[in-house]
Amino acid sequence: AQSVTQLGSHVSVSEGALVLLRCNYSSSVPPYLFWYVQYPNQGLQLLLKYTSAATLVKGINDFEAEFKKSETSFHLTKPSAHMSDAAEYFCAVRGAAGNKLTFGGGTRVLVKP
Amino acid sequence: DVKVTQSSRYLVKRTGEKVFLECVQDMDHENMFWYRQDPGLGLRLIYFSYDVKMKEKGDIPEGYSVSREKKERFSLILESASTNQTSMYLCASRLEGASGSPLHFGNGTRLTVT
Repeated sequence: AQSVTQLGSHVSVSEGALVLLRCNYSSSVPPYLFWYVQYPNQGLQLLLKYTSAATLVKGINDFEAEFKKSETSFHLTKPSAHMSDAAEYFCAVRGAAGNKLTFGGGTRVLVKP
Repeated sequence: DVKVTQSSRYLVKRTGEKVFLECVQDMDHENMFWYRQDPGLGLRLIYFSYDVKMKEKGDIPEGYSVSREKKERFSLILESASTNQTSMYLCASRLEGASGSPLHFGNGTRLTVT
């Protein structure tokens, strides 16, 4: 069975500082990997996805993530945090043959002025 | 743009009531999903449907059922609501067959069972 672990349920960063959100997955087949963001009182929006092309994936709002097979990781970064990045972020994995998406527990990001 | 619409943003129901949560998508997606979201647990899959009248259990189906009579509509049913079903419920849809296609989510229904 697939599983996703997000290290840290809460992360606090200063405006302008690097944002780093960690995600590790377990999957018995080559995965599709996703990062979603959820702003208050909204559903989830896709930030970026990895689908076995380039290992460094760029998404919206200057977010990017790097797929590292040897580490089974797909960490999300943004060079400079903005106040509008305050939200909850979810990492998710889907096996190549399946329909089900398995989510991590989420990381809530607080951005301090 | 894909639009997934959940009919209610907030619902308050009493223990033992039968509850219907409705979801409609406008992009002719084959796959539809119901998740519940709880703090610290992320999203957990309740049921999904890969076509009309087809359904499959997710990870936590107990206490729930679903209905998909038309392609665009996927309903989640709580046969007899209980307080431990108080949660945020998220519906999503996805295009079948497209490599790595993402889920598109509705804005959620926050259900409180008293």
